[in-house]
Amino acid sequence: GAGVSQSPRYKVAKRGQDVALRCDPISGHVSLFWYQQALGQGPEFLTYFQNEAQLDKSGLPSDRFFAERPEGSVSTLKIQRTQQEDSAVYLCASSLSWRSSYNSPLHFGNGTRLTVT
Amino acid sequence: EDQVTQSPEALRLQEGESSSLNCSYTVSGLRGLFWYRQDPGKGPEFLFTLYSAGEEKEKERLKATLTKKESFLHITAPKPEDSATYLCAVYTGANSKLTFGKGITLSVRP
Repeated sequence: GAGVSQSPRYKVAKRGQDVALRCDPISGHVSLFWYQQALGQGPEFLTYFQNEAQLDKSGLPSDRFFAERPEGSVSTLKIQRTQQEDSAVYLCASSLSWRSSYNSPLHFGNGTRLTVT
Repeated sequence: EDQVTQSPEALRLQEGESSSLNCSYTVSGLRGLFWYRQDPGKGPEFLFTLYSAGEEKEKERLKATLTKKESFLHITAPKPEDSATYLCAVYTGANSKLTFGKGITLSVRP
């Protein structure tokens, strides 16, 4: 079946621009995560949704970062007034239901590579 | 704060040369340790979950083991297609996140 789909694959933004990154999780997956991966580093947690509820946003680095999942499926990560330090790969992952059973592994998309110039 | 350290940072092997990748962790109450494989330009791909010390899991040429302080990913007779970055991550249940290490880049020469 289809995996986690992210778009766009690449995004170049000028410093100060706003960007929106989209994630289509695997159908039926209740849990959705956003991670940020800098070059040569492991992924770092940003935020977590269970259905449409954002249960944990402790990893968002500043109030310029905002995520939503209004209907419990597709999610959007928005970054306002982008800065150079925002350049990274943004990964989305979904799981059947992480909250009730972390036995269900995270399935990652291929990410959006954001470059801020 | 949860800490995950992977070593070595990079490993070059000859095809058929077995070796092990290390993941050391410092957490308060491990509930799960995860291994992922990541190819260039792709997202991490799930390999294994280990839950308690002494547990082992195998998949083709890979075997993952877990102690109270570290996990090993053993690669037996690797092939060039095993070349990738291998990530380990821990979950404690204190919050919702996985904490990842920096990864180990494995290159297998034919």
